[in-house]
Amino acid sequence: DAKTTQPNSMESNEEEPVHLPCNHSTISGTDYIHWYRQLPSQGPEYVIHGLTSNVNNRMASLAIAEDRKSSTLILHRATLRDAAVYYCILRGRANFGNEKLTFGTGTRLTIIP
Amino acid sequence: SAVISQKPSRDICQRGTSLTIQCQVDSQVTMMFWYRQQPGQSLTLIATANQGSEATYESGFVIDKFPISRPNLTFSTLTVSNMSPEDSSIYLCSVGRQGDNEKLFFGSGTQLSVL
Repeated sequence: DAKTTQPNSMESNEEEPVHLPCNHSTISGTDYIHWYRQLPSQGPEYVIHGLTSNVNNRMASLAIAEDRKSSTLILHRATLRDAAVYYCILRGRANFGNEKLTFGTGTRLTIIP
Repeated sequence: SAVISQKPSRDICQRGTSLTIQCQVDSQVTMMFWYRQQPGQSLTLIATANQGSEATYESGFVIDKFPISRPNLTFSTLTVSNMSPEDSSIYLCSVGRQGDNEKLFFGSGTQLSVL
């Protein structure tokens, strides 16, 4: 499985944007970049995913480098409820919809009031 | 989205006993997965629960220790057998559906403590 590298932890002030980086230099052409987050005492939840183009949804934006070897999850205005562990995961499309997720160590995001 | 009900939410068990964890989904799903999350750690995939056939286990996990059933497209069980304190973890069920924007949905987990 292709690997991802994330900082262990980050801090951000409330109501400011947060940029969470992820390196995936061994990504293959068919790998999607997925982001999940795990709030305290909960299972992970889907945040966003993309292949080549930048993506936006109601939760966040995903900026993907042109060579696809890195990506950045952007929370436009962090709130205290965004404090969580954020996982960047590469997921193949060999069996659409049925591919397992392999979690790395993730980035623990702390929001400072 | 998929609503996942996992039971029990937590349990305290004696070593040498077994615990069966249930995962019920509110709609039919293509795939079901079982993960383990040891204290302070990330998630590790135990196995893929295949409907109507034997589960597919990841390296380091075996059927005798973690037997899995999946009798239909909405239900699966994971049994943690002959438990030891090292099995104390959170166990999570995850499901995916084809065509559902490639998302996986997770239950809230079963927190298991083995004494």
